[in-house]
Amino acid sequence: DAGVTQSPTHLIKTRGQQVTLRCSPKSGHDTVSWYQQALGQGPQFIFQYYEEEERQRGNFPDRFSGHQFPNYSSELNVNALLLGDSALYLCASSYGLGNQPQHFGDGTRLSIL
Amino acid sequence: GENVEQHPSTLSVQEGDSAVIKCTYSDSASNYFPWYKQELGKRPQLIIDIRSNVGEKKDQRIAVTLNKTAKHFSLHITETQPEDSAVYFCAAPATDSWGKFQFGAGTQVVVTP
Repeated sequence: DAGVTQSPTHLIKTRGQQVTLRCSPKSGHDTVSWYQQALGQGPQFIFQYYEEEERQRGNFPDRFSGHQFPNYSSELNVNALLLGDSALYLCASSYGLGNQPQHFGDGTRLSIL
Repeated sequence: GENVEQHPSTLSVQEGDSAVIKCTYSDSASNYFPWYKQELGKRPQLIIDIRSNVGEKKDQRIAVTLNKTAKHFSLHITETQPEDSAVYFCAAPATDSWGKFQFGAGTQVVVTP
């Protein structure tokens, strides 16, 4: 039973570039949430996808966008990268909407130079 | 939105002693409270959760208690072992946006032999 998988594990970009991160949810899960975790801090909610639509959004600018595919996998896109976007990006999957247990992937470590 | 405060930020205990971490939340309608353990360089792992219709839940050496009146919930680890050393995060949902979780800042637990 595969857990949540994310790719790539590490990524280095320069300011102004664009990046796409990918997530496959745990088997049986249909909802994907994305979080940003800065060093030494708790995860910050970016947005959540269910039935291929963005359902909830945190306090992140429009540079952060996403997509969910029919197989429930998801992408996080960040445009016009800033130094402050350097962080661990975590994907969490769950079943259905509402307050359900979320299971995290290993994350993508994004470094902006 | 939901605000979650977590204390203490660091906790050092002797092996075999108990550890307690407390979180407070602001929205009285919040109804689901998970706890995550994150070891260095690894994913946050859901270790226990509680819903607002119960006051306590136990799973072997860990337990979570919920005080809805005071709006706080606590993680209790008994008979601590070196492998319990990690950062622990609490979370609570924003009731205006089900499924959107606010995380505490984390507690670094160090268990010394």
